[in-house]
Amino acid sequence: GAGVSQSPSNKVTEKGKDVELRCDPISGHTALYWYRQSLGQGLEFLIYFQGNSAPDKSGLPSDRFSAERTGGSVSTLTIQRTQQEDSAVYLCASSLGSLAVNTEAFFGQGTRLTVV
Amino acid sequence: AQKVTQAQTEISVVEKEDVTLDCVYETRDTTYYLFWYKQPPSGELVFLIRRNSFDEQNEISGRYSWNFQKSTSSFNFTITASQVVDSAVYFCALSGGGYQKVTFGTGTKLQVIP
Repeated sequence: GAGVSQSPSNKVTEKGKDVELRCDPISGHTALYWYRQSLGQGLEFLIYFQGNSAPDKSGLPSDRFSAERTGGSVSTLTIQRTQQEDSAVYLCASSLGSLAVNTEAFFGQGTRLTVV
Repeated sequence: AQKVTQAQTEISVVEKEDVTLDCVYETRDTTYYLFWYKQPPSGELVFLIRRNSFDEQNEISGRYSWNFQKSTSSFNFTITASQVVDSAVYFCALSGGGYQKVTFGTGTKLQVIP
């Protein structure tokens, strides 16, 4: 597609439920990032996929968070047993290969998750 | 470990004033990349600039300019003759060479008052 697409744009869920957030990166982009932005805060790194390499999961805040990227394209971020502190905007970004190859990351518009 | 510090949380200026947004970074990589992104009220981050660690030349793009100084590990961003449309949150970011994640600062919220 023309840009990074995230769905849903808004999600309200009850505490304790599982949620899945989807990211469609720009076609051909091998790198995909998930970030979390809490209200009025900066971007918190969650996970990074690069091609077929093992993902960098160092930013996932707990084992309730997981992500996968199928076929090197679409990615799903799953949050199990959601808590109120999980409420945030979840941003996905993709880039054409390594940032060492003169590229920048293109961001989606985010999914606003509200846990009630 | 990588770290980006944007000490200015919020800045307010009157339209047409110049404003500088500070960014200080930490990295052990000898090759790295620095970025600035703009997040307007609509929420979508917009890429502004990328610099690599080997190029310390300052860059100017219209009313925007960037001052990269390795000696002080800083990559500051100046907006000349600010406009109301410049109101946004600005993020500085860092990536190590090769296949590494991008680390963002906490952002500086700029408000330009007409």
